[in-house]
Amino acid sequence: NAGVTQTPKFQVLKTGQSMTLQCAQDMNHEYMSWYRQDPGMGLRLIHYSVGAGITDQGEVPNGYNVSRSTTEDFPLRLLSAAPSQTSVYFCASSPGTGFFEDYGYTFGSGTRLTVV
Amino acid sequence: AQRVTQPEKLLSVFKGAPVELKCNYSYSGSPELFWYVQYSRQRLQLLLRHISRESIKGFTADLNKGETSFHLKKPFAQEEDSAMYYCALTFNYGQNFVFGPGTRLSVLP
Repeated sequence: NAGVTQTPKFQVLKTGQSMTLQCAQDMNHEYMSWYRQDPGMGLRLIHYSVGAGITDQGEVPNGYNVSRSTTEDFPLRLLSAAPSQTSVYFCASSPGTGFFEDYGYTFGSGTRLTVV
Repeated sequence: AQRVTQPEKLLSVFKGAPVELKCNYSYSGSPELFWYVQYSRQRLQLLLRHISRESIKGFTADLNKGETSFHLKKPFAQEEDSAMYYCALTFNYGQNFVFGPGTRLSVLP
């Protein structure tokens, strides 16, 4: 199993450009989430999904869109990049079962995004 | 609102010394608490979860509901423990998590 795969690993954008960060998991996990990691602020939830066709906003959703057409994929779209979106982005998935032992995220390796 | 606090941004200890990374949470119900670790240039990994009461890499954490704390402890720190540590809680069966700001642990030789 590959786990959670994120692409690209690095990206530089100009202000106003749009792009999509890809996330795929092969563990048949129901729950998927996107976080951004900024120094001193920890991880903040952008958007999450509890299953195909279902998405919801997290703590910092502005400027980002998501969709979940399949269980495996959960892309994050930046509509018009701004310097404030310079960050490291992590995708994560979890099983979404009722068993506590299954809880806990599997994280992707991250995408380091710089907006100039 | 749910919140996780980690009061120390940076914690430095010498090799072989005990280490305690503090974590406090605010949630009125019964959350599930976790510790995640991120080694340099690697992805975040689940270190331990309170529900399983396990010890991973010598680390333990006890949930104290009275003090709403979930401090991470290790009796003898090793240099390879140097990493960023995040405390997190979930209150909706893993649907999403609330993370603390993280503590960078530096174990000095």
